[in-house]
Amino acid sequence: DTGVSQNPRHKITKRGQNVTFRCDPISEHNRLYWYRQTLGQGPEFLTYFQNEAQLEKSRLLSDRFSAERPKGSFSTLEIQRTEQGDSAMYLCASSHGTSGGFQETQYFGPGTRLLVL
Amino acid sequence: AQSVTQPDIHITVSEGASLELRCNYSYGATPYLFWYVQSPGQGLQLLLKYFSGDTLVQGIKGFEAEFKRSQSSFNLRKPSVHWSDAAEYFCAVGPSYGNKLVFGAGTILRVKS
Repeated sequence: DTGVSQNPRHKITKRGQNVTFRCDPISEHNRLYWYRQTLGQGPEFLTYFQNEAQLEKSRLLSDRFSAERPKGSFSTLEIQRTEQGDSAMYLCASSHGTSGGFQETQYFGPGTRLLVL
Repeated sequence: AQSVTQPDIHITVSEGASLELRCNYSYGATPYLFWYVQSPGQGLQLLLKYFSGDTLVQGIKGFEAEFKRSQSSFNLRKPSVHWSDAAEYFCAVGPSYGNKLVFGAGTILRVKS
């Protein structure tokens, strides 16, 4: 068990550019989550997958954001036409959810820190 | 709506002293409660969780927390703080059925020698 991994760890981009982040969950974890953390705040929920299905999206996830989990394993989060307000730490977490849908412990990756200039 | 309040933005304690970090939550049903720790530039590490049963839960690194339903609190404690405990601590609440966690704004712990 190598834990949740995220790449890249840091990304600096210019306003208007597109960026893509990758998350590899703990193997056999069927649930995957994306959170955003801005300076001085706790993480805020963005979206959630169960296997390959995206089941919930936060209102924070504007049309410029898209997330995929094509084979129910790794996930990507893309931000199009980045804005300075997108600068944040993007955290990925995974958990082993039961069919009953009960809350399970989420294990977090190290995050991708995005800076938009 | 679910919410979590961590009243203390910063706390400074001396090494070897006891620690209590406060967490109050607002949630309509039985909550699932978590404490995570985050070192600078790192992701979140789970310290402990409360799902049901004994209201005093033990976690890693010598931490414990007590769930008090009447006070809507889940305070984190440690009897003797080590310099390596300096980090940011987040309390989170989630539904018993579902997925999304709601986090507090965090408490930064400084340890002085």
